[in-house]
Amino acid sequence: QSALTQPASVSGSPGQSITISCAGTSADVGSYEYVSWYQQHPDKAPKLIIYDVSHRPSGVSSRFSGSKSDNTASLTISGLQAEDDADYHCASYSGTDPDYVFGTGTTVTVL
Amino acid sequence: QVQLVQSGAEVKKPGSSVKVSCKAPGGSLDNFPITWVRQAPGQGLEWMGLIMPMFGSTRYSPKFQDRVKISTDELRTTAYMEMSSLRSEDTAVYYCVRKGSSRFFDLWGRGTLVNVS
Repeated sequence: QSALTQPASVSGSPGQSITISCAGTSADVGSYEYVSWYQQHPDKAPKLIIYDVSHRPSGVSSRFSGSKSDNTASLTISGLQAEDDADYHCASYSGTDPDYVFGTGTTVTVL
Repeated sequence: QVQLVQSGAEVKKPGSSVKVSCKAPGGSLDNFPITWVRQAPGQGLEWMGLIMPMFGSTRYSPKFQDRVKISTDELRTTAYMEMSSLRSEDTAVYYCVRKGSSRFFDLWGRGTLVNVS
């Protein structure tokens, strides 16, 4: 099964909003409400920021929000801040092997 | 917060095997379904497989089914990921990760760099 497709890079100025897409198929993103998003700073482990499409773990800024339409999930970062400069990865549960598939990853640059 | 503690970096020859450990300090992994995820240099994340320590049951990605074994010790305090027949393409950081109550990964170890050279 192929990786979910994300744009390689997205950029924005402080205060702006950006959206990262995560394109899957009817076998994964389209079939389950189990999309999650992870933020990864350089040389650090990923950190969960969105789970079950649109839920935020305790302690994660409300500037992060998630949604899904058909086979594509999206992560929106509003009020972009310098600390948001990082890589972002989506993931989805899949009904077939492998159980989970990750996205190709997106580098967010705060200009 | 509870941390998953992984073993240190490894340098391995092609064709050899590596075994990476992952320990939850303070106790049992019984409530810690553990997944292994790897990240090659400059690349995205890749799901390898998982273990339900309480039951000993495992699931693997077909890509790794033949070369990877995920296990725990008898006391279920430490999880392991063993990969055999290593090749240069296996050079990556290997993360042990707790699977959350739903289908997401909420607690990540710091990662173990395996360099196959």
